[in-house]
Amino acid sequence: GDSVTQMEGPVTLSEEAFLTINCTYTATGYPSLFWYVQYPGEGLQLLLKATKADDKGSNKGFEATYRKETTSFHLEKGSVQVTDSAVYFCALKGPNAGKSTFGDGTTLTVKP
Amino acid sequence: EAGVAQSPRYKIIEKRQSVAFWCNPISGHATLYWYQQILGQGPKLLIQFQNNGVVDDSQLPKDRFSAERLKGVDSTLKIQPAKLEDSAVYLCASSQVGTGELFFGEGSRLTVL
Repeated sequence: GDSVTQMEGPVTLSEEAFLTINCTYTATGYPSLFWYVQYPGEGLQLLLKATKADDKGSNKGFEATYRKETTSFHLEKGSVQVTDSAVYFCALKGPNAGKSTFGDGTTLTVKP
Repeated sequence: EAGVAQSPRYKIIEKRQSVAFWCNPISGHATLYWYQQILGQGPKLLIQFQNNGVVDDSQLPKDRFSAERLKGVDSTLKIQPAKLEDSAVYLCASSQVGTGELFFGEGSRLTVL
């Protein structure tokens, strides 16, 4: 079945540091890929997405590129802020009415 | 636009008791999902509805869990009888047909003692 593997956390960075959170996947067919974020006390919300190979999703300074050859969708941000502290989930959705499968999440803490 | 509504936010019960969670999706969203999120893990799909039909319930423990979506809008997830390992956050999400983005509610946190 489909699966998503995220780098283990937690990750602690200083403000303005560079962020990478690794995500690799296993899926049949050609899934869509997503990053969701959960801020403290809030529900999960979509951060960015990519629907086909080589697409780059971007939002709020975060970026991720759909790499079919390495089955990866790593999340990056050039300069993190304290307000980026949250749990980040990588997810994939199978084609058609396929279900969404999530990774276990990576907790990011950014210190001033 | 109103988001996905869930209730109750918190519930504490003893094992072997029953509990029910309610979800109201975003208006116009035909697809509704229930996920279970155990502490430290990602959400795991329990059941997916499209309108009032079940699309996927392969990971729903049917001996104790049941879910329905009457009239293709609101949904209820029931656990009876509850076990200690059912302690988790139960997330409801909805989406429009043909899009991949899920819109989540804030979740219902269940503690089974």
